[in-house]
Amino acid sequence: GENVEQHPSTLSVQEGDSAVIKCTYSDSASNYFPWYKQELGKRPQLIIDIRSNVGEKKDQRIAVTLNKTAKHFSLHITETQPEDSAVYFCAAKPGGGADGLTFGKGTHLIIQP
Amino acid sequence: DAGVIQSPRHEVTEMGQEVTLRCKPISGHDYLFWYRQTMMRGLELLIYFNNNVPIDDSGMPEDRFSAKMPNASFSTLKIQPSEPRDSAVYFCASRIRGLGYTFGSGTRLTVV
Repeated sequence: GENVEQHPSTLSVQEGDSAVIKCTYSDSASNYFPWYKQELGKRPQLIIDIRSNVGEKKDQRIAVTLNKTAKHFSLHITETQPEDSAVYFCAAKPGGGADGLTFGKGTHLIIQP
Repeated sequence: DAGVIQSPRHEVTEMGQEVTLRCKPISGHDYLFWYRQTMMRGLELLIYFNNNVPIDDSGMPEDRFSAKMPNASFSTLKIQPSEPRDSAVYFCASRIRGLGYTFGSGTRLTVV
């Protein structure tokens, strides 16, 4: 089955700086890669996603890049703000008609004021 | 739309008791997923349904776990008998083909 590795497990950045979280996946047939933000005690919420036929996608301060050859994808947050503090999860959806997301272990992003 | 609705929000039960978690997916969504979240194992897919039919239950940890989806607007996850190691947050999620997955608020289960 699919295996998703996520790094780092904790990331502390100064407010206004950029943050980058990286993930690798094992199944080359995976075709959909969402990122979720989870605040303490809340549900995971989709913040951005990318499909395997696209290399990059941007939404305001958030961007995701995908390298299918290397089987890795990254989340980039620019001009970080205190409200960006949360746990971020990457995930991969299998191809071939299967469904269900395999998640990375999460990155605790801390924005230092 | 009210989103994915789960009940109860919190459940505390004694070891050996039966526990039933409930989920109402977003209307029109034809996929429903049950996930479990723990500190040690993260978010794990337990089972998913398509058009009310269980498709993949390979993530269900043991025979003590069972899930049903009697109609398009309701699903249950049952644990019988419950054990302390079942303590976790259980999330239900739904989606429609072509769109992303929406999670419910979760049920925090504590088995003492």
